[in-house]
Amino acid sequence: EAGVTQFPSHSVIEKGQTVTLRCDPISGHDNLYWYRRVMGKEIKFLLHFVKESKQDESGMPNNRFLAERTGGTYSTLKVQPAELEDSGVYFCASSQDRGTGVYNEQFFGPGTRLTVL
Amino acid sequence: SQKIEQNSEALNIQEGKTATLTCNYTNYSPAYLQWYRQDPGRGPVFLLLIRENEKEKRKERLKVTFDTTLKQSLFHITASQPADSATYLCALGGGTSYDKVIFGPGTSLSVIP
Repeated sequence: EAGVTQFPSHSVIEKGQTVTLRCDPISGHDNLYWYRRVMGKEIKFLLHFVKESKQDESGMPNNRFLAERTGGTYSTLKVQPAELEDSGVYFCASSQDRGTGVYNEQFFGPGTRLTVL
Repeated sequence: SQKIEQNSEALNIQEGKTATLTCNYTNYSPAYLQWYRQDPGRGPVFLLLIRENEKEKRKERLKVTFDTTLKQSLFHITASQPADSATYLCALGGGTSYDKVIFGPGTSLSVIP
């Protein structure tokens, strides 16, 4: 079974440019999460999709970040315009939904390393 | 605000010994606590979850304790092997799909042959 995949693995862009990160979750996983780790800091939650709906976007840093999950399959995270402080590793994770009160393990992708110059 | 602290220094131990990693947290009362492993260039991999009403949980050579009074979890790897070398992340929450996961900074473990 294929795991969570992310594209690209690395991206180097200039400040002010736009970058779009893509995440393909494990097939059948309704829950999709975005996280990021900026240099020297902990991995932090950005947002959570359930199918195509945003369940929780409380971790999104500002309106330069836009996440979508059309059709409830893959998701994209766009940063426009990118700033220096957006540099870091962006992780995607997915999980099944097996019902209330049941732990649903999150499976993480390898991450996209974003460098803004 | 919620804060998680893990061993700030990298941990180096001899192969065959038991590694003990510490996770302390403040300003939070999580119903769940998780431990993940992360290798360079890869995403975190879930290892164990322990609930607030559980004192201890084991999985093969791994053992986790959860003391809600001390607000502390200990993560043990017995009979450690060089392949156990990685960064280990403590995380709070995440017991359900809608429960946000809050990660600690991680502890780097090196098992020396």
